[in-house]
Amino acid sequence: NAGVTQTPKFRILKIGQSMTLQCTQDMNHNYMYWYRQDPGMGLKLIYYSVGAGITDKGEVPNGYNVSRSTTEDFPLRLELAAPSQTSVYFCASSYARGRGDSPLHFGNGTRLTVT
Amino acid sequence: DQQVKQNSPSLSVQEGRISILNCDYTNSMFDYFLWYKKYPAEGPTFLISISSIKDKNEDGRFTVFLNKSAKHLSLHIVPSQPGDSAVYFCAAGSNTGKLIFGQGTTLQVKP
Repeated sequence: NAGVTQTPKFRILKIGQSMTLQCTQDMNHNYMYWYRQDPGMGLKLIYYSVGAGITDKGEVPNGYNVSRSTTEDFPLRLELAAPSQTSVYFCASSYARGRGDSPLHFGNGTRLTVT
Repeated sequence: DQQVKQNSPSLSVQEGRISILNCDYTNSMFDYFLWYKKYPAEGPTFLISISSIKDKNEDGRFTVFLNKSAKHLSLHIVPSQPGDSAVYFCAAGSNTGKLIFGQGTTLQVKP
């Protein structure tokens, strides 16, 4: 059982370039999330989705876009990369709201550097 | 506006002793709280949770306490083991579906 898979693991982008961070889950979870982790800042919610076709903004959505065309996939798009987007990005999924009976399952992250 | 705060960036304890990690929140709409553990180069993994209708939840060596009037929760690990050395995040959620995380506390358990 693969769980939540993120690709790529590492990426270096030049300022102004664009890229898509891929996330797929094989647990048939309804909820999916994108977080970024900056040193000393914890995990910040970028976007989340409660089901296919439904997305909503989190705490730090500026500079990012998402789509949710299938239950399994939740890609995160960076259109014009900026140094402030240098971070580790985590995708997560849960069956329902991320309570104790439906905790979030995280991927292993994508480390992105923008120079 | 940091809705969930972990004010101690790090904590060091001796093996076998108790580790107490603290977390404060500001939003009274949060109705469930979770703790996650993270090792380097891995994603966070779920540890334990508590609903706002309870004030304590226990799972083996891990106990979470919730003080709603103080908007404070804590994670107790007894006894602490070297394998518990990791970053611990508290998180809070409500009926919006969003889960908000604190900044994390790095726990080091010394043999």
